[in-house]
Amino acid sequence: EAQVTQNPRYLITVTGKKLTVTCSQNMNHEYMSWYRQDPGLGLRQIYYSMNVEVTDKGDVPEGYKVSRKEKRNFPLILESPSPNQTSLYFCASRTGTGELFFGEGSRLTVL
Amino acid sequence: RKEVEQDPGPFNVPEGATVAFNCTYSNSASQSFFWYRQDCRKEPKLLMSVYSSGNEDGRFTAQLNRASQYISLLIRDSKLSDSATYLCVFNDYKLSFGAGTTVTVRA
Repeated sequence: EAQVTQNPRYLITVTGKKLTVTCSQNMNHEYMSWYRQDPGLGLRQIYYSMNVEVTDKGDVPEGYKVSRKEKRNFPLILESPSPNQTSLYFCASRTGTGELFFGEGSRLTVL
Repeated sequence: RKEVEQDPGPFNVPEGATVAFNCTYSNSASQSFFWYRQDCRKEPKLLMSVYSSGNEDGRFTAQLNRASQYISLLIRDSKLSDSATYLCVFNDYKLSFGAGTTVTVRA
């Protein structure tokens, strides 16, 4: 089954405690991206990757890092989380025609 | 002007009604257009692509107006299960998302 898998689905952490949200896709897509979704603001892109070892900033990259060492994985790293990073996060991969496949989302709370 | 503007709604309609809403975009270079559906607290899923000539998928009709730079979605014979948030997505050199239009279909 074609899917994007992200973990953890739910996480409560404290300010400054580094965390990583993993993302994996099994569709051999070159393009992957991370979004955060906040009420009234819609989906905002954090980082994207056009291919292995190629990453670029989206609209709201501050406070986040990513890596793309293999095609299937695209982890999102919060080196020092802050309360304003409390959000719902989605990972997605994209086909050549532009269709996005999203993971189920990771709900992060930073206290 | 925002890259994408979408009427947030909510549109509260009875079963069987027709509901339609638009999404405008500012980048005339946008090349592909999509409507996604998002249920509460879940991931967005592709509802349909939007083609230049307009297209239908069952009760759903999507239109593209390049001159006025908007896309539209029309839902006929609304079902309770159509209650969701509908996101418009535009693709030029990057993907741009609308904030979503909430539709609630009541019995």
